[in-house]
Amino acid sequence: ILNVEQSPQSLHVQEGDSTNFTCSFPSSNFYALHWYRWETAKSPEALFVMTLNGDEKKKGRISATLNTKEGYSYLYIKGSQPEDSATYLCASAIQGAQKLVFGQGTRLTINP
Amino acid sequence: SAVISQKPSRDICQRGTSLTIQCQVDSQVTMMFWYRQQPGQSLTLIATANQGSEATYESGFVIDKFPISRPNLTFSTLTVSNMSPEDSSIYLCSIGGWGGQPQHFGDGTRLSIL
Repeated sequence: ILNVEQSPQSLHVQEGDSTNFTCSFPSSNFYALHWYRWETAKSPEALFVMTLNGDEKKKGRISATLNTKEGYSYLYIKGSQPEDSATYLCASAIQGAQKLVFGQGTRLTINP
Repeated sequence: SAVISQKPSRDICQRGTSLTIQCQVDSQVTMMFWYRQQPGQSLTLIATANQGSEATYESGFVIDKFPISRPNLTFSTLTVSNMSPEDSSIYLCSIGGWGGQPQHFGDGTRLSIL
């Protein structure tokens, strides 16, 4: 069974501070790692899709890194803003299985 | 990217009844996915729906409880049958990839069972 773990489960950050959280996944037969942002009452929105060990991707103030050998990915948010408040989901895919397995998410709240 | 319309957006249902959730895409897609998120749990894949074939269900989900239709390349339905309070969840349909391409989700159906 593919097990994807995210930590922490929830996080409160002061506006303007930077933060990061972790996604752990099995490293064997790795195929891809996805990050999504899910705001309340909206649909999950794709942030990053990463497939190569050492990948680093950036979208504005948000960036992500990938280590497929040890099975983890970090998501970083620089200079947090209230609109960053959301649940951040990671999901992993393994070779041969045409599906994503999601972690439980990190619920981020930015305090003004 | 594709526009995905999912309805109803929310419903409150009585125990023992069934509800059908619809997912309409504005372009033709081969695979559609149905997920469930129970309170405090991760987003869990229920089944993959391919047009022209039976849906493929994940472990723990069965066709009698969650029948799926996929009559064409732009539409799918998920029925939650004989509902109990444990079925109270957010149900999402999605399209797209699992590898190098992201998935795109509908807005979800927030279902509460009394």
